[in-house]
Amino acid sequence: DTAVSQTPKYLVTQMGNDKSIKCEQNLGHDTMYWYKQDSKKFLKIMFSYNNKELIINETVPNRFSPKSPDKAHLNLHINSLELGDSAVYFCASSLRGERGGLDTQYFGPGTRLTVL
Amino acid sequence: DAKTTQPPSMDCAEGRAANLPCNHSTISGNEYVYWYRQIHSQGPQYIIHGLKNNETNEMASLIITEDRKSSTLILPHATLRDTAVYYCIVRVTGAQKLVFGQGTRLTINP
Repeated sequence: DTAVSQTPKYLVTQMGNDKSIKCEQNLGHDTMYWYKQDSKKFLKIMFSYNNKELIINETVPNRFSPKSPDKAHLNLHINSLELGDSAVYFCASSLRGERGGLDTQYFGPGTRLTVL
Repeated sequence: DAKTTQPPSMDCAEGRAANLPCNHSTISGNEYVYWYRQIHSQGPQYIIHGLKNNETNEMASLIITEDRKSSTLILPHATLRDTAVYYCIVRVTGAQKLVFGQGTRLTINP
């Protein structure tokens, strides 16, 4: 029944490692997003994909590489993890053109990444 | 997207109406007012949106002033489960991203 799901829920890793977070939505949406929420609880968009095409890239280091194999999935791969990457990462999805372009976003439960 | 200003925190008694204000004095004519909330450790959740008319759904009511420079989200009978951070966001239709401010931390007290 889960609309937007993310795996894993928790991720603890060492500096310098490479890790991936997966996101899947079963809402039939065509647009997916990654947001980052840091320790101060600010929530900021990182990327957005529409129909597997990158449409937003908010000045994120190129160590972060999103990949969208199909409209229902948007994965986030992070190379050479740094301490500052520790945060909660939220995936979201929406339907572009929903009722006049209102584009309501539905969020996943988040992945808490801790870099040691 | 226009900037919004919200009080950092509010308290409300369980069962009473919670009224959360938001100022958006630089809002432009094609920007909607959206409200989302984030319950502790969960992803943000859509509540309601509006352009200029007042709106009501099963979760809340949204009152937008006539000049559209401010709005109020009303939770008519607050419960403990409504304790969360509430975000007021103004956004052009079809814009892809949500720009979150600091929000209002609403605490519902028994």
